[in-house]
Amino acid sequence: AQSVSQHNHHVILSEAASLELGCNYSYGGTVNLFWYVQYPGQHLQLLLKYFSGDPLVKGIKGFEAEFIKSKFSFNLRKPSVQWSDTAEYFCAVNAREMRAQKLVFGQGTRLTINP
Amino acid sequence: GAVVSQHPSWVICKSGTSVKIECRSLDFQATTMFWYRQFPKQSLMLMATSNEGSKATYEQGVEKDKFLINHASLTLSTLTVTSAHPEDSSFYICSALSGRQGFNYGYTFGSGTRLTVV
Repeated sequence: AQSVSQHNHHVILSEAASLELGCNYSYGGTVNLFWYVQYPGQHLQLLLKYFSGDPLVKGIKGFEAEFIKSKFSFNLRKPSVQWSDTAEYFCAVNAREMRAQKLVFGQGTRLTINP
Repeated sequence: GAVVSQHPSWVICKSGTSVKIECRSLDFQATTMFWYRQFPKQSLMLMATSNEGSKATYEQGVEKDKFLINHASLTLSTLTVTSAHPEDSSFYICSALSGRQGFNYGYTFGSGTRLTVV
């Protein structure tokens, strides 16, 4: 079964700091990888996704993520965070070969940006 | 882009009653929808996968008789919490799968339903 692990439970940064949120998954087959953001009181929004091709994926709002297959990782990065990036971030994986197509989420990382 | 509408956004019900939550894909057909439960400050836990015209597939530990899922059309899936109890209070989120592999493939989420059982 697939599982997703996000190592950082709560990250606190100051504005303009660089961000990296860790995400590792366990599944031996081919996967699709996603990062979602959930702002307070709002629904999940897609930041970026990786299916194939260039392992460095650029998403919305200046976010990017790098798929490192050998490390089973898909870390999220942003060079300079803003106060408005304060939110909950979820990494998610689905196994491409599985008919069920279900998306498995990591535990989430709460990001707090201090002005 | 794909939009999923979920209703109601919040509901309060008495213990022992049933509550129905609707999830609609507004501008696309969704043969597969998913229902999640999210506890405060925790991740989304998949409850079941809903397939149009067939029975839902429930995750281990989810009571299928308590959480009834119906996916009667390509744009509507419903989750009914039967005989609700306070421990069923939670945030329920639906998601619809859109597109095909490699082409506009993605998951669109509803805005969620806050259920409080008193």
